[in-house]
Amino acid sequence: SQELEQSPQSLIVQEGKNLTINCTSSKTLYGLYWYKQKYGEGLIFLMMLQKGGEEKSHEKITAKLDEKKQQSSLHITASQPSHAGIYLCGATPWGDYKLSFGAGTTVTVRA
Amino acid sequence: EPEVTQTPSHQVTQMGQEVILRCVPISNHLYFYWYRQILGQKVEFLVSFYNNEISEKSEIFDDQFSVERPDGSNFTLKIRSTKLEDSAMYFCASTLEFGPGTRLTVT
Repeated sequence: SQELEQSPQSLIVQEGKNLTINCTSSKTLYGLYWYKQKYGEGLIFLMMLQKGGEEKSHEKITAKLDEKKQQSSLHITASQPSHAGIYLCGATPWGDYKLSFGAGTTVTVRA
Repeated sequence: EPEVTQTPSHQVTQMGQEVILRCVPISNHLYFYWYRQILGQKVEFLVSFYNNEISEKSEIFDDQFSVERPDGSNFTLKIRSTKLEDSAMYFCASTLEFGPGTRLTVT
């Protein structure tokens, strides 16, 4: 299965500041997915990346996949309290939707 | 927008008891999954289900676990004889969409 390392493990940002989370894979990624989880709740799908160099944005969240398809970043611009939560990166092998997840990054946004 | 639902949201059971966790996946999806998240740990794959049969299972998914799609809509995870270490959040996924989870507490 895919081993995914996320960094940082946690971060605290002031409201309005930007933040970046990284996800690194031990193998070339076929599909890379970002999810958000509130503590004790389900996973909310954010974005999917499949092509090297791909970048997607939704509202203030941008995700990128590097050309080698082994590293992804999630960037939040002008963070708000609603961005607080645990961000998980997940990867799937070719031809399947079985996800292997990183350990997650806990984001706290201070007002 | 279609969503995955799970019941119950929280289940408390005694060690050795059987539990059934239920999921209603998105109707036109073909791939279904169960995952587990022990408190403070990673989300872990348990089993995948395609074309009405198990397509892959993890090492965690031992003989105590079983899955069924009894009526073409519901998708169930059964744990025959629960252990303390089965306490976790259990998530059903329909392709890449996750349900809200069932928190299982084994006492």
